[in-house]
Amino acid sequence: EAQVTQNPRYLITVTGKKLTVTCSQNMNHEYMSWYRQDPGLGLRQIYYSMNVEVTDKGDVPEGYKVSRKEKRNFPLILESPSPNQTSLYFCASSGGFTLGITEAFFGQGTRLTVV
Amino acid sequence: AQKVTQAQTEISVVEKEDVTLDCVYETRDTTYYLFWYKQPPSGELVFLIRRNSFDEQNEISGRYSWNFQKSTSSFNFTITASQVVDSAVYFCALSETGGNNNDMRFGAGTRLTVKP
Repeated sequence: EAQVTQNPRYLITVTGKKLTVTCSQNMNHEYMSWYRQDPGLGLRQIYYSMNVEVTDKGDVPEGYKVSRKEKRNFPLILESPSPNQTSLYFCASSGGFTLGITEAFFGQGTRLTVV
Repeated sequence: AQKVTQAQTEISVVEKEDVTLDCVYETRDTTYYLFWYKQPPSGELVFLIRRNSFDEQNEISGRYSWNFQKSTSSFNFTITASQVVDSAVYFCALSETGGNNNDMRFGAGTRLTVKP
């Protein structure tokens, strides 16, 4: 089954404690992206990757890191989480070089709370 | 600049009423894609429709229909005979083919509540 898998689904952590949210896709997609969703703001792009070792900033990259060492994985790293990073996070992938040119697939979401 | 505008923050209807969710977009591309996603209370994003800029035909899928009008840059979504299970947040999104940031731009979402 074609899917994007994020882990964990829920996470509560404390300010400053490094964490990683994993994202994996099984469709051999080139394009992967991370979004955060906040009330009244919709989904905003954090980082994206057009292929292995190719990553770039989206609209709200501050406080986040990503890596793309393998095509299937695109982890989101919060080196020093802060309460303003409390949000719902989505990973997405697509076979084209733009999300949506071919069908876009979204993970189930990760609800992160930073206290 | 906001590229996708969903002016209705929240809508509340009674079951069996028809409801239209508005979406207005802006782009300079001639080739682009428009989407609607549903986000139920469980939080996942459920794909509803993808439409390219060259296909202005309206689409109907069961109780759902979409009205794409390039002249007004709108891609509105209508639910006929709404049901309680339609209660969710609905997002409209735009994907452009040009530019440096290959992003899908989302509107702020419309929260639809259908009361029994």
